[in-house]
Amino acid sequence: GNSVTQMEGPVTLSEEAFLTINCTYTATGYPSLFWYVQYPGEGLQLLLKATKADDKGSNKGFEATYRKETTSFHLEKGSVQVSDSAVYFCALSDRSNYQLIWGAGTKLIIKP
Amino acid sequence: EADIYQTPRYLVIGTGKKITLECSQTMGHDKMYWYQQDPGMELHLIHYSYGVNSTEKGDLSSESTVSRIRTEHFPLTLESARPSHTSQYLCASSDSGAQYFGPGTRLTVL
Repeated sequence: GNSVTQMEGPVTLSEEAFLTINCTYTATGYPSLFWYVQYPGEGLQLLLKATKADDKGSNKGFEATYRKETTSFHLEKGSVQVSDSAVYFCALSDRSNYQLIWGAGTKLIIKP
Repeated sequence: EADIYQTPRYLVIGTGKKITLECSQTMGHDKMYWYQQDPGMELHLIHYSYGVNSTEKGDLSSESTVSRIRTEHFPLTLESARPSHTSQYLCASSDSGAQYFGPGTRLTVL
């Protein structure tokens, strides 16, 4: 079946460091891939998405490339800020039932 | 502005009470979802709907029920709340691609 695996957190970085949060997936067919961000006490916000192989999603300095050959969708940012501290979720779409398959989430802590 | 709303944001109630968590969206989406989540932890799908008069149970067994009488409205009801229901409840809607979330309801059952 379909599944998403994210790197375990928490990930702790200093401000202005380079960020990578790994996400790999198992899926039949050609799913769309998503990254969501959840700030404390809030719902999830769509951060970026990619709908086909080699697509790059980007938003607010974050990027992720849909890599079919490695079944990966790693999230990257060149220089993180304290305000990026949040929980990040990777997800893929299951087109058979219009549901999202979720990773477990990765907590990111940025220290000034 | 198209959006998705949840009320109340916070609710503290006693055991045995009946409660309804409200969710409304103005995006005209057919598909709507309820998730249960301990803060910052995994999301668990408890109910979903593909349109008016369509409701299904999700992967996580839940003692709650839902209804979908109008496209924009997808309330969740607990007939008799228990401390094990203490959690955050997130509502989402979708146009078959990404899901868009409300701010959540943090429920505490004493």
